[in-house]
Amino acid sequence: GDSVTQMEGPVTLSEEAFLTINCTYTATGYPSLFWYVQYPGEGLQLLLKATKADDKGSNKGFEATYRKETTSFHLEKGSVQVSDSAVYFCALSRDDKIIFGKGTRLHILP
Amino acid sequence: DVKVTQSSRYLVKRTGEKVFLECVQDMDHENMFWYRQDPGLGLRLIYFSYDVKMKEKGDIPEGYSVSREKKERFSLILESASTNQTSMYLCASSPGASGGRWIQYFGAGTRLSVL
Repeated sequence: GDSVTQMEGPVTLSEEAFLTINCTYTATGYPSLFWYVQYPGEGLQLLLKATKADDKGSNKGFEATYRKETTSFHLEKGSVQVSDSAVYFCALSRDDKIIFGKGTRLHILP
Repeated sequence: DVKVTQSSRYLVKRTGEKVFLECVQDMDHENMFWYRQDPGLGLRLIYFSYDVKMKEKGDIPEGYSVSREKKERFSLILESASTNQTSMYLCASSPGASGGRWIQYFGAGTRLSVL
């Protein structure tokens, strides 16, 4: 069945470091791909999305590219800030369902 | 801004109690969802609804029921709470059909403890 695998956390980085959070998926057909972010004490919010191969989603300095050949949707940011500390969820959807990864907790040290 | 409001941030209940978790959205969204979030398991879909008075089972509906009498309100009901239902519960809503359904807006969550 369909699934999403993302790197285990927590990930701890210093401010201004480069961030990559890996996400790979297994799915039939052509799913849409998402990154959601959950800040402390809040619900999830959509960070970015991509709906077809080679699409790049971007928002708030974060980027992810839909790579069908490697079935991946890795999240990247060039220079992280303390305010980026949160839990990040990769997800895929087809018409009838959405599947979330288990989440990766990110800590940014000042 | 879309607002999804969950009635309680924290709840403590006893085993066997009937528990109601309420969720209200203010953007006239057709779709509403209930998830539970557990460490190491991520989000799991309990129930969802595409319209008033309709409901569909998600991945883990056992022990839960839902009610959607009005478009803006979606209630999750634990008929007889058990300790394994201690969790964070997240409500979400989304507009539209098909692919747009999964661009979701979440509430802040209700942390339920069943003693």
